Amino acid sequence: QSVLTQPPSVSGAPGQRVTISCTGSSSNIGAGYDVHWYQQLPGTAPKLLIYGNSNRPSGVPDRFSGSKSGTSASLAITGLQAEDEADYYCQSYDSSLSAFWVFGGGTKLTVL
Amino acid sequence: QITLKESGPTLVKPTQTLTLTCTFSGFSLSTSGVGVGWIRQPPGKALEWLALIYWDDDKRYSPSLKSRLTITKDTSKNQVVLTMTNMDPVDTATYYCAHRQGGSYAFDIWGQGTMVTVSS
Repeated sequence: QSVLTQPPSVSGAPGQRVTISCTGSSSNIGAGYDVHWYQQLPGTAPKLLIYGNSNRPSGVPDRFSGSKSGTSASLAITGLQAEDEADYYCQSYDSSLSAFWVFGGGTKLTVL
Repeated sequence: QITLKESGPTLVKPTQTLTLTCTFSGFSLSTSGVGVGWIRQPPGKALEWLALIYWDDDKRYSPSLKSRLTITKDTSKNQVVLTMTNMDPVDTATYYCAHRQGGSYAFDIWGQGTMVTVSS
């Protein structure tokens, strides 16, 4: 069971907007630690998609955006494309005894 | 350009010790603020952070696996080594090493991963 909670799956048609939620607690997201998002295409290593809650590394399209509020964070993808079909993971830092670097359980995005 | 690559056995027997090596380029683990971590992913499951070592040899371990893990670095070889004792079939996973983003807890560059199967 992951420290951060994500929906197992989301889906959307090409061109639509989808959001993926990431819920934590007062020892991680709620403690002020940043949330980061990774995209994992089938059979490949995770790739940093959003860092510091809402920042995109060079080369990541602005269709991807992130936000954080309280003990939760969200990843939004607009103008869905077939190539966006992947697993998405949120990650933060936890100051309790349960862990340090913590990940969500992952969300499978299906482009219909 | 930062790159990392994992190496090690693809098959280990239960109770054996796993030793994985992460060989990297494009940065130095003697530079202030730099860190390298290990993350694993069982087939079809989520990512799980295992350990991280900093430039100053400070080390962090997953509390649930701390008793089984050791992370070390060889700065001259640009390598980080992770050992995991008493391997079990549930440890079957792809193991990744990753570069910790400066000033952040994010992992900005990942290796390709190495699949380790634990089976007799």
